[in-house]
Amino acid sequence: DVQLVESGGGLVQPGGSLRLSCAASGFPFNRYWMHWVRQDPGKGLVWVSRINGDGISTNYADAVKGRFTISRDNAKNTLYLQMNSLRVEDTAVYYCARDLVGLRSTSCFDPWGQGTLVTVSS
Amino acid sequence: DIQMTQSPSSLSASVGDRVTITCRSSQSISNYLNWYQQKAGKAPKLLIYAASSLQSGVPSRFSGSGSGTDFTLTISSLQPEDFASYYCQQSYSTPLTFGGGTKVEIK
Repeated sequence: DVQLVESGGGLVQPGGSLRLSCAASGFPFNRYWMHWVRQDPGKGLVWVSRINGDGISTNYADAVKGRFTISRDNAKNTLYLQMNSLRVEDTAVYYCARDLVGLRSTSCFDPWGQGTLVTVSS
Repeated sequence: DIQMTQSPSSLSASVGDRVTITCRSSQSISNYLNWYQQKAGKAPKLLIYAASSLQSGVPSRFSGSGSGTDFTLTISSLQPEDFASYYCQQSYSTPLTFGGGTKVEIK
């Protein structure tokens, strides 16, 4: 079965840093684009970033550009999100999601991990 | 950025009802439109991709239609397990964007 398991969330002060991880299993990880999507508590979904299979191509939402960095370690089947200069408004549940189809980006998310909560507060 | 507008933001319906949710994009996105279901405390689940393709394992009572700027998600006969929030998402261009969601509640 395809499985995505996020970790690394927690409480951090404004201006701080956090690195999220997403451990993938059950599929050829290096063939798939991967995404991070976040959800403010009780609110809607916001796409954060994506990365292609070999880690060369990345895209970011404007709200996180220059502060967040997406990366992957295909040897470890793990996706990362390095979050720096965190703001209160970055508080959210962060989900990793696989692209629907391998080798090209459909930018359609399936499946999703269970999410990890990031709280930015003093 | 492409803005996605869903309506209604919430609705109340009974088991067996036919439910329709609409999604409108601020510019044409061809058929690059996906629908997700999210139950409370859970991750979203893909229902429909490319506007009208049913994801594997999703019941056939779910269907999607539309192209260009106007799209519809229809549940032909609402079941108890369908009470959830539903989101549309455009996959036409980055930044990828979602609609605000529709919460389907029990009448």
